[in-house]
Amino acid sequence: DAKTTQPNSMESNEEEPVHLPCNHSTISGTDYIHWYRQLPSQGPEYVIHGLTSNVNNRMASLAIAEDRKSSTLILHRATLRDAAVYYCIQGGGSNYKLTFGKGTLLTVNP
Amino acid sequence: DAGVIQSPRHEVTEMGQEVTLRCKPISGHNSLFWYRQTMMRGLELLIYFNNNVPIDDSGMPEDRFSAKMPNASFSTLKIQPSEPRDSAVYFCASSLSGGTGELFFGEGSRLTVL
Repeated sequence: DAKTTQPNSMESNEEEPVHLPCNHSTISGTDYIHWYRQLPSQGPEYVIHGLTSNVNNRMASLAIAEDRKSSTLILHRATLRDAAVYYCIQGGGSNYKLTFGKGTLLTVNP
Repeated sequence: DAGVIQSPRHEVTEMGQEVTLRCKPISGHNSLFWYRQTMMRGLELLIYFNNNVPIDDSGMPEDRFSAKMPNASFSTLKIQPSEPRDSAVYFCASSLSGGTGELFFGEGSRLTVL
């Protein structure tokens, strides 16, 4: 299975930026990098995805390394509602299987 | 849009009973996924449908599990007979085009088998 590596947990303070790292050294040329998050007692929620270039949307930014072996999800101003498990996944394109790992548990302190 | 709708939200049953979980994907989406989440194994893909056809069921644990998608707006996941180790949260997700774009997940069905 295509796997990514993420820290088990991270902590942040409210209204500060958060940088969530992810390593995906086995990524293929057609694999996208996806980020999802899962709030307590809810289903996973799409955050952002990209292929080669950095991506921005209303929720977050995705910075992709030039060699595509790593990426960083950036939450510009963390809120208490951003406390969740964040999953970094490689796949998509011709590979429909999005394999979820353990993710990073983000705690946001008030 | 109502999003992906799953039912029931919670189910408690006894070992050996048949369980049927239901999913209504987002209208217009052509791909549907069933996932299972447990503390031990995390989120696992069970089966993937594209245009109502099962494309990959390699994640289905065993013959006790079966899934159908009779039309574009409805899918079921059936467990018969159920066992305590089937206790988990089962998620249904839909998307417009496989895993390329955004997957929309339902709120899940929490199954407890006693």
